[in-house]
Amino acid sequence: GQQLNQSPQSMFIQEGEDVSMNCTSSSIFNTWLWYKQEPGEGPVLLIALYKAGELTSNGRLTAQFGITRKDSFLNISASIPSDVGIYFCAPYNNNDMRFGAGTRLTVKP
Amino acid sequence: NAGVTQTPKFQVLKTGQSMTLQCAQDMNHEYMSWYRQDPGMGLRLIHYSVGAGITDQGEVPNGYNVSRSTTEDFPLRLLSAAPSQTSVYFCASSRGAAGNQPQHFGDGTRLSIL
Repeated sequence: GQQLNQSPQSMFIQEGEDVSMNCTSSSIFNTWLWYKQEPGEGPVLLIALYKAGELTSNGRLTAQFGITRKDSFLNISASIPSDVGIYFCAPYNNNDMRFGAGTRLTVKP
Repeated sequence: NAGVTQTPKFQVLKTGQSMTLQCAQDMNHEYMSWYRQDPGMGLRLIHYSVGAGITDQGEVPNGYNVSRSTTEDFPLRLLSAAPSQTSVYFCASSRGAAGNQPQHFGDGTRLSIL
């Protein structure tokens, strides 16, 4: 079956550090999305990638859609305490959206 | 704007009971979907709808029914609750297909089946 791996599972970093997380899939996807979820809330869309090789930024966040269409990464630069949460990759094809298992980020002030 | 509203926020059921989780959105979005989130896992798509009167199955549809009689509402029914359905359920809506338009999520319904 289709496999989607997100890593790392969790990260504990100091405020100001940069963060990198990634997802790899056994299948090709046409769209890669990145969401953030805070406790007690639903996920919120951070970045959407629609084209292989695309590199997109949203403030301190940068994400790339892998050239093979089977992977994507998300970088957060100069982390701040409000970056705390769980980050999910969510690749998508034709009404089929999958979510990675998430990367739990803790930022120490 | 209320956005996506889910009710109830918490519910405890006994095995075999039936229940309807409500989801309403006030953004006139065509696309709505239901997900479940289990500990340590990402969200998994249960059912989705691309417009009123149209529903389809997602990745994990067994044990759940949906209907979409209006644009605003997309209820999820558990026909005979099982402990394996203990989870947090999220409803989402978007103007178009989920991968092409930002999805707006509700705050979730935390469901425990004893």
